[in-house]
Amino acid sequence: DQQVKQNSPSLSVQEGRISILNCDYTNSMFDYFLWYKKYPAEGPTFLISISSIKDKNEDGRFTVFLNKSAKHLSLHIVPSQPGDSAVYFCAASAQTGANNLFFGTGTRLTVIP
Amino acid sequence: EPEVTQTPSHQVTQMGQEVILRCVPISNHLYFYWYRQILGQKVEFLVSFYNNEISEKSEIFDDQFSVERPDGSNFTLKIRSTKLEDSAMYFCASRQARNINQPQHFGDGTRLSIL
Repeated sequence: DQQVKQNSPSLSVQEGRISILNCDYTNSMFDYFLWYKKYPAEGPTFLISISSIKDKNEDGRFTVFLNKSAKHLSLHIVPSQPGDSAVYFCAASAQTGANNLFFGTGTRLTVIP
Repeated sequence: EPEVTQTPSHQVTQMGQEVILRCVPISNHLYFYWYRQILGQKVEFLVSFYNNEISEKSEIFDDQFSVERPDGSNFTLKIRSTKLEDSAMYFCASRQARNINQPQHFGDGTRLSIL
């Protein structure tokens, strides 16, 4: 099951610079996309989401971009802070039934002070 | 801020035994979920629950598994006759259903170790 893919297992960024995390999906029925952040020994924490009727959603330092034609979304964090170091999961769902989530494999972000 | 709570945080069980994983979803949420993450793999959907019945389930959720909401607050996952391959992190999640664009909120998980 590779419906949601995160091709970069890790990313290192200097503090204050922009972090860009990428995600691709294959299922054209997906219309709601989310980013979760996960620290060790904790569950995924919701960060930001976007509906397929939009191409951008912004919340403070976090912006998610959606390119439906390319079936691609990205998360931008600017400026990056050391506390942002975590594993970031992309997830997607179709707005039918119970909206169960399909997750990517995650990208480990390290922000270097 | 309200949160999803899961107990226990770590469960060690002999193969073949039954385990019950417990979750208390956020109080005004109406949809409940179980996911699991085998070490080194992605988070996988198991089952969703709404209005006191299963809404959807994945291929993983076979007859070995069952879910229950025994009272107004708890949501449980029972695994009968556990196998070594059931060792994983199990996450409970809940979601408000009033607005369709509502995220799922996750607990911190139960680490299940089958010996």
